[in-house]
Amino acid sequence: QQQVKQSPQSLIVQKGGISIINCAYENTAFDYFPWYQQFPGKGPALLIAIRPDVSEKKEGRFTISFNKSAKQFSLHIMDSQPGDSATYFCAAAGGSIQGAQKLVFGQGTRLTINP
Amino acid sequence: DTGVSQNPRHKITKRGQNVTFRCDPISEHNRLYWYRQTLGQGPEFLTYFQNEAQLEKSRLLSDRFSAERPKGSFSTLEIQRTEQGDSAMYLCASSLGRVYTEAFFGQGTRLTVV
Repeated sequence: QQQVKQSPQSLIVQKGGISIINCAYENTAFDYFPWYQQFPGKGPALLIAIRPDVSEKKEGRFTISFNKSAKQFSLHIMDSQPGDSATYFCAAAGGSIQGAQKLVFGQGTRLTINP
Repeated sequence: DTGVSQNPRHKITKRGQNVTFRCDPISEHNRLYWYRQTLGQGPEFLTYFQNEAQLEKSRLLSDRFSAERPKGSFSTLEIQRTEQGDSAMYLCASSLGRVYTEAFFGQGTRLTVV
């Protein structure tokens, strides 16, 4: 059972444009929502994370928007650059024993920024 | 380099052989996780350690898989009698023992079963 659904699977954006990736979750026990960036041959690296007590979090060019009632959250990359070309994963965690950060990942979005 | 270290980076093995992977977490991290990532998919949780105690295992972890973390430091993941379906990237991550702290991932071990 897929608990976190991510779309689109792939995305092409022109340099300087806005990249938007969406995720939806099912488990209302989730209370931590990170986004990871993964380059080929590397492990995922945390980009930005949000908790459901806020509706938006911004760090530099990266913004998470969170809609608790709709159980949806999204990543916006402003002024997208070729160096942002990577695979992006949304994830969710919470409700595990002892507060373990057992992450449930989406299927990933392959982002390509054209120069 | 003080990040999460995984060895080997690549492993090719014949079906039916046993393989063992090693993960060295960031030194002060007491939580250690194993995930599996197949091509085009997100990582899937396999198991989790708090210090040396294995506290949770996914249903994905069949009885052919075993993980250990002796003395709460490095961890090993062993797969016995490998099958072609075991081909994947095996990722290790570690974090501090607090809620909502970042999990740092290693570069993974890519297993190919032929």
